[in-house]
Amino acid sequence: AQTVTQSQPEMSVQEAETVTLSCTYDTSESNYYLFWYKQPPSRQMILVIRQEAYKQQNATENRFSVNFQKAAKSFSLKISDSQLGDTAMYFCAFMKPNAKHGTASKLTFGTGTRLQVTL
Amino acid sequence: SQTIHQWPATLVQPVGSPLSLECTVEGTSNPNLYWYRQAAGRGLQLLFYSVGIGQISSEVPQNLSASRPQDRQFILSSKKLLLSDSGFYLCAWSVWYRRLGELFFGEGSRLTVL
Repeated sequence: AQTVTQSQPEMSVQEAETVTLSCTYDTSESNYYLFWYKQPPSRQMILVIRQEAYKQQNATENRFSVNFQKAAKSFSLKISDSQLGDTAMYFCAFMKPNAKHGTASKLTFGTGTRLQVTL
Repeated sequence: SQTIHQWPATLVQPVGSPLSLECTVEGTSNPNLYWYRQAAGRGLQLLFYSVGIGQISSEVPQNLSASRPQDRQFILSSKKLLLSDSGFYLCAWSVWYRRLGELFFGEGSRLTVL
């Protein structure tokens, strides 16, 4: 079974600074997907960024980027130019590719990192 | 546009009482539906998922059950609640034509069992 570990329960960063959230995972699969989801206070959880394991290039989405180290099974999230709206719980997640197109996306989530952006 | 609704948002129930949480999705057809539970310090745990009407898969043996009576309706139930059923329950949906692994979550239902 796959496991996802987020070793930082809470982090804080000042506005406009850069912060990196850590995530490690354990799997015997060679092909898989990794995700970072964001859960703002009292708001719905949304997908921030996605990485496919067979792609060596790190994924980026505007101010969000990842550092994917497949051999080390590490998948960290970097948030540049942090904004107050980035305050949220961040979850790292893992998914094996589906055997058939259209089948359910079964994600394994970590325990989350609570990020506070301060003035 | 697609939307997802969960209710009730908050629920306080005594031990041994029944439970029914509902989730509906609008604006899409044939979604895959999911129930997750979020407990403090334990992340999100997948409880059930469904790929079609009447098709339910359970991920974790427990005191809960799920049903999908209509294409866009997903219900989480229990006949007799336990203290350990307390938590934050999230419904989510996905479809094949969106990014693989992208789940769309509801607002959540906070259950406290006393």
